[in-house]
Amino acid sequence: EIVLTQSPGTLSLSPGERATLSCRASQSINRNYVAWFQQSPGQAPRLLIYGASSRATGIPDRFSGSGSGTDFTLTIGRLEPEDFTVYYCQQYGNSYTFGQGTKLE
Amino acid sequence: QLQLQESGPGLVKPSETLSLTCTVSGGSISGTSYYWGWIRQPPGKGLEWIGSIYYSGTTYYNASLKSRVTIAVDMSKKQFSLKLNSVTAADTAVYYCARDQSGYSFDYWGQGTLVTVSS
Repeated sequence: EIVLTQSPGTLSLSPGERATLSCRASQSINRNYVAWFQQSPGQAPRLLIYGASSRATGIPDRFSGSGSGTDFTLTIGRLEPEDFTVYYCQQYGNSYTFGQGTKLE
Repeated sequence: QLQLQESGPGLVKPSETLSLTCTVSGGSISGTSYYWGWIRQPPGKGLEWIGSIYYSGTTYYNASLKSRVTIAVDMSKKQFSLKLNSVTAADTAVYYCARDQSGYSFDYWGQGTLVTVSS
């Protein structure tokens, strides 16, 4: 099973700042099949990024993804108040596994 | 707009079988690029993929749950279902159904349903 480790566990920033979230895999991800999800309290996860760097439909361009192999990053360009929630990375290149999450506060 | 809705009992006794159904509306369940999956989230914890099914009935399961899980599809009702047997308190979670579009991961989700395992 591919293990995904997200860092940091909690990221403390202010609105308007830039956020960088990391996701490291225990082995290389096939076809860079990494997705990022945002989950607000009491809500289902929302797909932000797929294929490591493609934005899902309707996702603002302040969200961007990058990386390849075992190291992937989600960047939020200028934080809006609604961005302060939890983010998960996921790999779907070899079965499916999720990271443990990063809380943005 | 595609919508998914989970339904089923919110309380299950230990050692019994958890059964949930996901109803798909606003789109086709038989698209060739789509799988349909179940994901769960214990209270206050992260996400765990349970398994996925193709409209043809081909299934893929999380190896850690495979011995207890069955996922089936009913195309006539536009539904797919989850059965998890021999449940324990560790199976208490919010259960989500989601569409798994090939190459895109889970792009549409249901709202989730909390299932508590308790006597």
